Order: sequence, then C-alpha cells, then structure tokens
Amino acid sequence: QQQVKQSPQSLIVQKGGIPIINCAYENTAFDYFPWYQQFPGKGPALLIAIRPDVSEKKEGRFTISFNKSAKQFSLHIMDSQPGDSATYFCAALAGGTSYGKLTFGQGTILTVHP
Amino acid sequence: DAGVIQSPRHEVTEMGQEVTLRCKPISGHDYLFWYRQTMMRGLELLIYFNNNVPIDDSGMPEDRFSAKMPNASFSTLKIQPSEPRDSAVYFCASRISRDGYEQYFGPGTRLTVT
Repeated sequence: QQQVKQSPQSLIVQKGGIPIINCAYENTAFDYFPWYQQFPGKGPALLIAIRPDVSEKKEGRFTISFNKSAKQFSLHIMDSQPGDSATYFCAALAGGTSYGKLTFGQGTILTVHP
Repeated sequence: DAGVIQSPRHEVTEMGQEVTLRCKPISGHDYLFWYRQTMMRGLELLIYFNNNVPIDDSGMPEDRFSAKMPNASFSTLKIQPSEPRDSAVYFCASRISRDGYEQYFGPGTRLTVT
C-alpha cells in the first residue's frame, strides 16, 4: 500500500515534444506529491510538487496533473529540450505523523533528442 | 549555503572491509535521510533522523548497516563487513520541517565493493 508505481521506465522524445510520465498510488493518506529530477552524477532535486486539493499545477514548462479519484498523477514537460534529459522520480508522502518520509517511484529515464 | 555535503564521493573497497560514509546536512535542517540508489531497486530510504534521533530504520537491509547522528551537523552510515551487493550510490538528504517537505540531496557517494 506504500508503493508508488511509475511508468514508463524510459522515454525518448524529439526536441519540442511533450513527454508524459505517469504515477499511481494506493495509500489514500498520501497528501503531497513531488517530482524530483536527477542528472547523471548528481543527487535528485525537487522540480515541482502538488497537493490533492488541486487538479493541476504548472511551473514554467512543467505541469503536474492530479486525478484524486483515480489515485494517479502525471508530469508533462512542454516544449521539451535536450537539457531536460534526466531521470525523473515521482514521490508521495503522508503528512501527519509520517515525519516527511517520501515514497519514491522507480524513476523514468528521459532522453530528448535535438 | 553549501548544500548537503557528502564524503567521500567515490569509495572502492574490498569485500569484508568496513566502509564509513559521511554527511553534513544543511545548517538548521532538522531531518536527515540516508538513501541507497541502484538500477535494480531504484531509490530506497534506509534510515532517517529527526533532531539527531533515529525515527525509522526499517529500510536498513541488515545488521551490517548502521547509522549515527552524533550532532546536528554530522551523520555517518557504516557498513561492516561490506559485500559486493552493497555497491550502489548512497545519498544523504536533509530538510527543515518549518519549510514543508522538500528534501535537499547531497551529491552522493558511489561505493564499489570488489
């Protein structure tokens, strides 16, 4: 019940394309859903996050869509660039007494060709 | 701010040897997390601390692994004895509770056990 399932494992798009990465969860206590971006040789870094009281959040070219009833959320990257090539992780957290413990998805390796 | 600092960045050791990984969290952060990343298992939470106290060590794979946080600015993850299957990238992350749930990751330590 604590798992977050992420797909696809890898994704290749052309520059300007709109890659979409999907995540699904079971634990209805999750109330914070961040996406982390990781470049080779670096640690993950927070990209964007959403709470379940909204269905969409946009920051620059990155958008999270959230479907509470389906227990799914996704990351869309508009006008993707080669510099967006990285590994993306979705995560989820149950507030309250979880002490901020994040449960991560398996990651998606995104390659954007020029 | 220097960010989360980890040392060493790379460690190569022989099976059976003791390995100590070090982490300095961001000053003022009250949570510290240790993660392990492998291709097969993704990003796994090993243990985390709140105000230097271990809260959840359920992710520690076995008794060969131990972690300490003697003060707010230093933590260690020790593996004794090390085994080839411990080869992975180990990340330390920290966060400050009053600013939400964002975790700040260090650059990682790449451990190779031969």
